Amino acid sequence: DTAVSQTPKYLVTQMGNDKSIKCEQNLGHDTMYWYKQDSKKFLKIMFSYNNKELIINETVPNRFSPKSPDKAHLNLHINSLELGDSAVYFCASSQERNSPLHFGNGTRLTVT
Amino acid sequence: QKEVEQDPGPLSVPEGAIVSLNCTYSNSAFQYFMWYRQYSRKGPELLMYTYSSGNKEDGRFTAQVDKSSKYISLFIRDSQPSDSATYLCAMGVAGGTSYGKLTFGQGTILTVHP
Repeated sequence: DTAVSQTPKYLVTQMGNDKSIKCEQNLGHDTMYWYKQDSKKFLKIMFSYNNKELIINETVPNRFSPKSPDKAHLNLHINSLELGDSAVYFCASSQERNSPLHFGNGTRLTVT
Repeated sequence: QKEVEQDPGPLSVPEGAIVSLNCTYSNSAFQYFMWYRQYSRKGPELLMYTYSSGNKEDGRFTAQVDKSSKYISLFIRDSQPSDSATYLCAMGVAGGTSYGKLTFGQGTILTVHP
């Protein structure tokens, strides 16, 4: 029974396209996150939502737009994809903002 | 200078060895510290979580935090081939505008060979 699940697992698309990644958690957590992991394995926060409210918005191009329809779901929409967007995107959740994160298994995005 | 610096490795050790993984940090506001393990093509999974300076032990794993030196370590005793993974340190502040934002080290790739 997966705690944090993301879809799709792999995403290959061309420059200029728009794509979405979906995330769901069944842990009952209040806080959800999007992290980006580059080719050197460096993980960096992009966004965080607490009870559907955006609380962290790092310096991310406004082509990236998160949306939380309810506290169990956090989606990421990316407009006008660029080559540099190729990375692994991880969704995560935590009970509270200083609690350990539970990560999904990532969405591997390749922009050609 | 990055806020969190982690020995990049890679590290290759024989089975049964004691492994030491280290991170230093520059932000004295960091209050809680974590270690994650990440297998290939998987998400990071939590190994250790601590708030205070000192040692915390869980099975073969010991996390050490020295806030005065801004230094954290993870020790793995009796290392096994199944410990082969990337290890990530992470830390956060418990208030202010960065509350909830974990800052990660760049990861150390560990290989334990039989």
